[in-house]
Amino acid sequence: KQEVTQIPAALSVPEGENLVLNCSFTDSAIYNLQWFRQDPGKGLTSLLLIQSSQREQTSGRLNASLDKSSGRSTLYIAASQPGDSATYLCAVSTGANNLFFGTGTRLTVIP
Amino acid sequence: EAQVTQNPRYLITVTGKKLTVTCSQNMNHEYMSWYRQDPGLGLRQIYYSMNVEVTDKGDVPEGYKVSRKEKRNFPLILESPSPNQTSLYFCASSPRSLRENEQFFGPGTRLTVL
Repeated sequence: KQEVTQIPAALSVPEGENLVLNCSFTDSAIYNLQWFRQDPGKGLTSLLLIQSSQREQTSGRLNASLDKSSGRSTLYIAASQPGDSATYLCAVSTGANNLFFGTGTRLTVIP
Repeated sequence: EAQVTQNPRYLITVTGKKLTVTCSQNMNHEYMSWYRQDPGLGLRQIYYSMNVEVTDKGDVPEGYKVSRKEKRNFPLILESPSPNQTSLYFCASSPRSLRENEQFFGPGTRLTVL
């Protein structure tokens, strides 16, 4: 069964820093990987979707990379802002119906 | 506005009292699913539906039922809730399968079973 791990569980950085969040998965037979943001008391917001044939995706200050063969993905956030504070989740799709989630990294950006 | 809605957002109930959490999407999506989120365990899939009248079990289906009579609605039914079903529940939808498409999530329903 696919297992998704996110390390660290929590991260604090000062405003303006660039940072990297990590996601690893045990089975490289994935169709895609998705990064989400979750704010307290709210649902998940999709940030980036990387198909298995892609190496990276970019949206604004966010850049996600995928190395399927090594079972790793990173989410790079440039010039962090306090509004980036949230929990970031990664999830991998192994088929038409399955999405396996990591437990998330709680990011705090200190003004 | 394109969205997934859930009701209620918060619910406190007692063991054994049947309840339904509604989920509706206005994006004409074929795929819908339910997840529960528990501390330290992440999100786990309960049930999913590929289209009207097509539903199947996810990873943790015990104690739950679903139906998909209309494309836009996918209610989650707890026939006899127990305290171990206290959790944060999310409904999600996707245009088609998860092979190509991202999922859109509802705001969540926080359920407490006493």
